[in-house]
Amino acid sequence: QSVLTQPPSASGTPGQRVTISCFGSGSNIASNFVSWYQQFPGTAPKLLIYKNNERPSGVPDRFSGSKSGTSASLAISGLRSEDEADYYCAAWDDSLRGPVVFGGGTKLTVL
Amino acid sequence: EVQLVQSGAEVKKPGEFLKISCKGSGYTFSRHWIGWVRQMPGKGLEWMGIIYPGDSDTRYSPSFQGQVTISADKSISTAYLHWSTLKASDTAIYYCSKTTSDNYGDAFDVWGQGTMVTVSS
Repeated sequence: QSVLTQPPSASGTPGQRVTISCFGSGSNIASNFVSWYQQFPGTAPKLLIYKNNERPSGVPDRFSGSKSGTSASLAISGLRSEDEADYYCAAWDDSLRGPVVFGGGTKLTVL
Repeated sequence: EVQLVQSGAEVKKPGEFLKISCKGSGYTFSRHWIGWVRQMPGKGLEWMGIIYPGDSDTRYSPSFQGQVTISADKSISTAYLHWSTLKASDTAIYYCSKTTSDNYGDAFDVWGQGTMVTVSS
């Protein structure tokens, strides 16, 4: 069982806006930055969002992140078929569960 | 170009020793945390531990404490993950990654290509 909680699946149609939630606690999300990673089958994860809502160079502005208290979310607007992937949230954890913890991952399906 | 290049796939037997590597280039290796992540077949990502190559400060996730050893040799910009006694349940893909800066708490912006480890009798 993952320290951070994500829905196992999400879906949307092309052009829609989809959000993926990530729930944690005071020792991780509330105290530290949240990052999001995208992973396609058979490939390494890719950093999508860092410091809660910052995008690395090259990541489209269709992807955005937010954080409030012990929860965070990833929003994808203008959904495209190529966004179909697994998405993971992560945060450093100040408790004995650390040092870094992941969510269980959300498989996004574009219908 | 900033890169992390991992060693190749391994096929081992239960009880054997294994050490896999992750070589950094294109940045100051000693000044960024390196993390190791496990992905078991068909499963999600799990943090195993992290190391700061500059001083070898190492932190393990509770599930992996005592099960693996993380080390680094900053003189050759390489981090390692090793097992003294492999188990079939260690079969997985292992990724290394680096933090965006030397700050404890940063995201991991560059990832290795992964090393597939298969443990079977």
